[in-house]
Amino acid sequence: AQSVTQLDSQVPVFEEAPVELRCNYSSSVSVYLFWYVQYPNQGLQLLLKYLSGSTLVESINGFEAEFNKSQTSFHLRKPSVHISDTAEYFCAVSQTGGFKTIFGAGTRLFVKA
Amino acid sequence: DAGVIQSPRHEVTEMGQEVTLRCKPISGHNSLFWYRQTMMRGLELLIYFNNNVPIDDSGMPEDRFSAKMPNASFSTLKIQPSEPRDSAVYFCASSLGVGSGANVLTFGAGSRLTVL
Repeated sequence: AQSVTQLDSQVPVFEEAPVELRCNYSSSVSVYLFWYVQYPNQGLQLLLKYLSGSTLVESINGFEAEFNKSQTSFHLRKPSVHISDTAEYFCAVSQTGGFKTIFGAGTRLFVKA
Repeated sequence: DAGVIQSPRHEVTEMGQEVTLRCKPISGHNSLFWYRQTMMRGLELLIYFNNNVPIDDSGMPEDRFSAKMPNASFSTLKIQPSEPRDSAVYFCASSLGVGSGANVLTFGAGSRLTVL
């Protein structure tokens, strides 16, 4: 079975500052890893994913995450955040060859002017 | 494609009433998932289907909950009878399914259920 731990429930940060949202996972088998974003009153949207290959993956809006197998982590980073990045971010894990995707509890990112 | 379509977007009902939530997945997606989101428990996977067949319903909280997928383009989640603790946002999501290397979920906008 897989599990996901997001270490911070809320992260307040000033605009243009860097941010890191932490995610650790537990699994006895190989996994796919994801970050999803949820804006108020909307469904979740895929932000980025790690399936295989390069351990550093990037999104189109400046976020990146690095798969670290030894530390079982998949932290999300952005060097300079915008007000529009205010949202809830979910880390998720799925077993390769499996159906289920398990989500972490979410981290609420609040960007202040 | 219009994405995953859920209805109703909002439902307010009284305890004991039957509630039916509906979902139309993305055309060509083989897997469909029902999640429930609450402040206390976060996102919980209730049930998922592959090729219209229920694969795992271990997340369904009680016998009051049931889900069906009669064809590739439609699924329902039913609660009968409803209780106040069922109040939550229910999300439907679909994906291409196993083997594609994707496992990427596309979510609907959700159905917000309030049981009084």
